[in-house]
Amino acid sequence: KQEVTQIPAALSVPEGENLVLNCSFTDSAIYNLQWFRQDPGKGLTSLLLIQSSQREQTSGRLNASLDKSSGRSTLYIAASQPGDSATYLCAVEWRSQGNLIFGKGTKLSVKP
Amino acid sequence: DTEVTQTPKHLVMGMTNKKSLKCEQHMGHRAMYWYKQKAKKPPELMFVYSYEKLSINESVPSRFSPECPNSSLLNLHLHALQPEDSALYLCASTQGAGTEAFFGQGTRLTVV
Repeated sequence: KQEVTQIPAALSVPEGENLVLNCSFTDSAIYNLQWFRQDPGKGLTSLLLIQSSQREQTSGRLNASLDKSSGRSTLYIAASQPGDSATYLCAVEWRSQGNLIFGKGTKLSVKP
Repeated sequence: DTEVTQTPKHLVMGMTNKKSLKCEQHMGHRAMYWYKQKAKKPPELMFVYSYEKLSINESVPSRFSPECPNSSLLNLHLHALQPEDSALYLCASTQGAGTEAFFGQGTRLTVV
């Protein structure tokens, strides 16, 4: 069964810290992996998309890496800010599926 | 324009009501999706439309009826729902397999 796992489930850090969120997935036959942010009661905002042929993507203070062979991705957030507080979801599209399968998310709280 | 627009934002309906959720995108995407998200859970796929044809139905009860009138519009018709159907309903679109997914802000549905 194709599954996505995210650890930790929750993370609390002081403002200014660099942090890493982890995502692992079964089966390396993927199209891509996408990181999303979700604020409480809101929709999903796409942060970064990594195609299966890529190793990393960067956008501002965010950097996402992909190691397809080991089934792992990390989302690195530099110099965290209170406004980064949200739930971060990792989602994988497998070649056999045609749609995204989500992890359960990491709830991030950045304290001022 | 990378926007997916969902209406209404909030909906309260009785178990005997009929209502519809609407989703619209003008990015020229050919695939559109409905996801359901319960509180503190990840989104789960309900339906996929590809080139205006239903391609995936994840064994969703018939009280949910999707419709894709044209390539920009996706509806979800609701009839005789149960209180356990209360959730955030998310619409998404992509250019097709292996491309970036864009989500709307969701409709918060409460069934009373």
